Amino acid sequence: RKEVEQDPGPFNVPEGATVAFNCTYSNSASQSFFWYRQDCRKEPKLLMSVYSSGNEDGRFTAQLNRASQYISLLIRDSKLSDSATYLCVVKLNGGSQGNLIFGKGTKLSVKP
Amino acid sequence: ETGVTQSPTHLIKTRGQQVTLRCSSQSGHNTVSWYQQALGQGPQFIFQYYREEENGRGNFPPRFSGLQFPNYSSELNVNALELDDSALYLCASSPSGRVDTQYFGPGTRLTVL
Repeated sequence: RKEVEQDPGPFNVPEGATVAFNCTYSNSASQSFFWYRQDCRKEPKLLMSVYSSGNEDGRFTAQLNRASQYISLLIRDSKLSDSATYLCVVKLNGGSQGNLIFGKGTKLSVKP
Repeated sequence: ETGVTQSPTHLIKTRGQQVTLRCSSQSGHNTVSWYQQALGQGPQFIFQYYREEENGRGNFPPRFSGLQFPNYSSELNVNALELDDSALYLCASSPSGRVDTQYFGPGTRLTVL
């Protein structure tokens, strides 16, 4: 079983749609959780950290369920500029300090 | 822009050759992590350097090695290149005490023929 699993997509949605990405992780020692965004042929960029209480940043809402080892990202009112690959990322407690574990990513295409 | 730079941007090598990739971290960041991203995959952790010492390593063979210099810039060296080494190589720098926060450079795209 992969350490971080995501629906590979692609998700093709019209502008204005609401889209949800799901992610599961296998290691219960996971300590920190993130969503990164990666545009085609570019580097990953941190979109938001994910907290147990859930957190929101504008149109983006992230949720974490530690009991189910499940992370989600909700994008409301999709824009063309949201088209990218969204990477679910976890960091383990202990071990190498900088070891971010990435999922394969879910590709989103927002169409006019 | 993150302030993390990498060179070269693209590189083509043949099997068996050796390659050195370079990374300049963001000012004030003393930790550098290297990742390999194959096509269609998420980045995979190679290793991390903190104050010129290796501070953790992923599941990569010893032919992947690195260095960090006193100015915190870093190199990734790969010996005896294999076709499967073709990938985007990303470095990420972190400020002291905040390794959860990683700023990625634009990457070096390596093609092994």
